[in-house]
Amino acid sequence: EVQLVESGGGLVQPGGSLRLSCAASGFTVSRYWMSWVRQAPGKGLEWVANIKQDGSEKYYVDSVKGRFTISRDNAKSSLFLQMNSLRADDTAVYYCARLRGYLDCWGHGTLVTVSS
Amino acid sequence: EIVLTQSPGTLSLSPGERATLSCRASQSISSSYLAWYQQKPGQAPRLLIYGASSRATGIPDRFSGSGSGTDFTLTISRLEPEDFAVYYCQQYGSSPTGFTFGPGTKVDIK
Repeated sequence: EVQLVESGGGLVQPGGSLRLSCAASGFTVSRYWMSWVRQAPGKGLEWVANIKQDGSEKYYVDSVKGRFTISRDNAKSSLFLQMNSLRADDTAVYYCARLRGYLDCWGHGTLVTVSS
Repeated sequence: EIVLTQSPGTLSLSPGERATLSCRASQSISSSYLAWYQQKPGQAPRLLIYGASSRATGIPDRFSGSGSGTDFTLTISRLEPEDFAVYYCQQYGSSPTGFTFGPGTKVDIK
């Protein structure tokens, strides 16, 4: 069974940092692009970042460029999102997902709350 | 950036009725790179349709997608109780450099 499980969310103060992880199982992670997508409370879905199979290409939504870094460890079937200089408007549930242009498999999400 | 508009914002229907959801793009989406997702409260989104009209694995045939260019439609032929949810469209013509979602249509029980 294809499965993605996020972890690492929590409460952080504005300006702080957090590192999200996503553990994949049931498929060969190294064969796929992977994504992070977020959803602010009561709002819609927003794409955050994509990473190529070997990590050589990375793309970000403008609002997180220079603050967030997507990475992966194929040997450990894991995806990461390092989030620095966090702002209140980064508060959201963060989902990792398998990217095939469309997103065909999603994790359950992890909540990040940025507040003092 | 391609902007997606979904209508209506909310659709109030009864079980057994037909639901027609619209997704309109600000510019033509190449090769019908349009997907639909269903999201229930407290759950992750689930892929329903990709390539504008192809059903994802395990999706019942009461869900169908159509359209091309800038106008796309998700149809649920007969609503089941478990179909009341929020539906999002996504364009991935510019993937993997980025993609966008529509604001969603909520289908609720009348």
